[in-house]
Amino acid sequence: EAGVTQFPSHSVIEKGQTVTLRCDPISGHDNLYWYRRVMGKEIKFLLHFVKESKQDESGMPNNRFLAERTGGTYSTLKVQPAELEDSGVYFCASSQDLRANYGYTFGSGTRLTVV
Amino acid sequence: GQQLNQSPQSMFIQEGEDVSMNCTSSSIFNTWLWYKQDPGEGPVLLIALYKAGELTSNGRLTAQFGITRKDSFLNISASIPSDVGIYFCAGQAYGSSNTGKLIFGQGTTLQVKP
Repeated sequence: EAGVTQFPSHSVIEKGQTVTLRCDPISGHDNLYWYRRVMGKEIKFLLHFVKESKQDESGMPNNRFLAERTGGTYSTLKVQPAELEDSGVYFCASSQDLRANYGYTFGSGTRLTVV
Repeated sequence: GQQLNQSPQSMFIQEGEDVSMNCTSSSIFNTWLWYKQDPGEGPVLLIALYKAGELTSNGRLTAQFGITRKDSFLNISASIPSDVGIYFCAGQAYGSSNTGKLIFGQGTTLQVKP
């Protein structure tokens, strides 16, 4: 079974530009999560989709971040306009079970650098 | 918000040595998880703990869910070079069992000298 796929693996953009990150979860996984790790700090929750619906977006930093999951398959996370503090590694994860007891499957992440 | 304090921040050890790292929280957690992240990859689940006092092993790894439900530790015995990476604790806070949201620690970077 294919794992969670994220694209691109790296992105370097200038402050003020727009970037869109994509995540393809494991097929059949209704739950999709976005997390972010700013260098040296903890991995922080951004939001959770159940199918195409946003279940919890309490971790989204501000309205410059927009996440979508049209059709309940892949998801995109758009940052517009990007700021320097948005730099970090953005992880996507998916799970079949809503409970986290079994852990998620994470993608390899997108390393975003805003200069 | 809820936080996990993970320590140590980094470790540099000799191959063959044992390693211990831990996480503490000011609030109760239902579930404790330990992940490992290799360079360029996403975190991979190592061990999951479901109830207070539980002690679970996975090969050379042993983890425990603290009795108070506010802490957990991970031990690695007889370290080898491929143990190198970043280890994260993560937990599901009490009362959030109807979501999949996890709280992560800051990570422990482990380096092993052959």
